[in-house]
Amino acid sequence: SQKIEQNSEALNIQEGKTATLTCNYTNYSPAYLQWYRQDPGRGPVFLLLIRENEKEKRKERLKVTFDTTLKQSLFHITASQPADSATYLCAPHTMGGGADGLTFGKGTHLIIQP
Amino acid sequence: KAGVTQTPRYLIKTRGQQVTLSCSPISGHRSVSWYQQTPGQGLQFLFEYFSETQRNKGNFPGRFSGRQFSNSRSEMNVSTLELGDSALYLCASSLDDRAPGANVLTFGAGSRLTVL
Repeated sequence: SQKIEQNSEALNIQEGKTATLTCNYTNYSPAYLQWYRQDPGRGPVFLLLIRENEKEKRKERLKVTFDTTLKQSLFHITASQPADSATYLCAPHTMGGGADGLTFGKGTHLIIQP
Repeated sequence: KAGVTQTPRYLIKTRGQQVTLSCSPISGHRSVSWYQQTPGQGLQFLFEYFSETQRNKGNFPGRFSGRQFSNSRSEMNVSTLELGDSALYLCASSLDDRAPGANVLTFGAGSRLTVL
């Protein structure tokens, strides 16, 4: 069955450093991969989508890579700030419109320490 | 434009009761999905509705049901509540014009259900 793995332990990073989060998947070949941010008690918020033919995607201080050979995506936050502290969820998915039952990893809790 | 609106935000029920949660998607979004989130299991997909039809369904018992109205608003219902149904229930809408990448989800703030 499809499996999505994200670091279950909290990731502590010092302010100003680069935070790198990992998303690994097995038993399927997604054409896209999405990253979301979730703050406590709130719904996830979409951050970035990367396609299988894109090796890297950037948005301000965020960078996502997608390695279909390794079946892995890396999510980087450069010059991290305490406000970046949140849980980050990845969702690899196959082609198709609509949610098509978008499946999420359990998320990595990121803590940026001042 | 207004975001995804979920009501109620918080509710407390007792075992055996039933509950109905409501979701109003972003205007123009035709797909509505429901998720259950618990600390141990993370985000679990419940079902997705499009044009008043259930298009996808997750691995949940029949006590969990939903529907979508002609204006794309959606409701989910949980009957015979169990303690384990305590969770944050999230609704998300998407454009669903079948273009690649169109299934980016916009989530509501969720309905926090506590079953006593």
